[in-house]
Amino acid sequence: DTGVSQDPRHKITKRGQNVTFRCDPISEHNRLYWYRQTLGQGPEFLTYFQNEAQLEKSRLLSDRFSAERPKGSFSTLEIQRTEQGDSAMYLCASSPPTGSNTEAFFGQGTRLTVV
Amino acid sequence: RKEVEQDPGPFNVPEGATVAFNCTYSNSASQSFFWYRQDCRKEPKLLMSVYSSGNEDGRFTAQLNRASQYISLLIRDSKLSDSATYLCAVNMGSGRAGGFKTIFGAGTRLFVKA
Repeated sequence: DTGVSQDPRHKITKRGQNVTFRCDPISEHNRLYWYRQTLGQGPEFLTYFQNEAQLEKSRLLSDRFSAERPKGSFSTLEIQRTEQGDSAMYLCASSPPTGSNTEAFFGQGTRLTVV
Repeated sequence: RKEVEQDPGPFNVPEGATVAFNCTYSNSASQSFFWYRQDCRKEPKLLMSVYSSGNEDGRFTAQLNRASQYISLLIRDSKLSDSATYLCAVNMGSGRAGGFKTIFGAGTRLFVKA
């Protein structure tokens, strides 16, 4: 399978715990995005990487959230001291380095439930 | 104001109907425009890009009006399988040279009934 891969698919955690999600983009894609989606809403932009550089992080994003893409390939999203409001689907997407008129290819997401 | 806004749903239509969705965007520097389809508990997938001159793909027609900053999607001869959420998406600069991010609307839910 050469699509975007996310791991784990599901995560249940207790409030206050830290969680980390992984995303493996399509191999030739240098752009990588993280989104959060809750029921009835569209994907909400969290952060964006071009190669290993994090070019933008949403102002709405709490300091408890951090993302890395150390070698410009896979990326991790960590949430520290999880809260019930963090429960959502976390989607990763990637796109190729061919200008602005390119679609984002999504992984199947990681569904986080904070209890 | 949200960067990308869509018609509130849901739309309930009979098979064979024509249905139109509209979407507005706030950033006049937005560069590319798309419609994505998202099935229940699945990831979004590209339905079609939206070009300045308008474009058609089978029963689907997309239009862009840069002056008014809105895009539209028209679905003709609706099928049961068209039932899904339709997301409007806009690519805009991320603030750094050469970077782009895709911003999505909240989505419009479509139910096509037999």
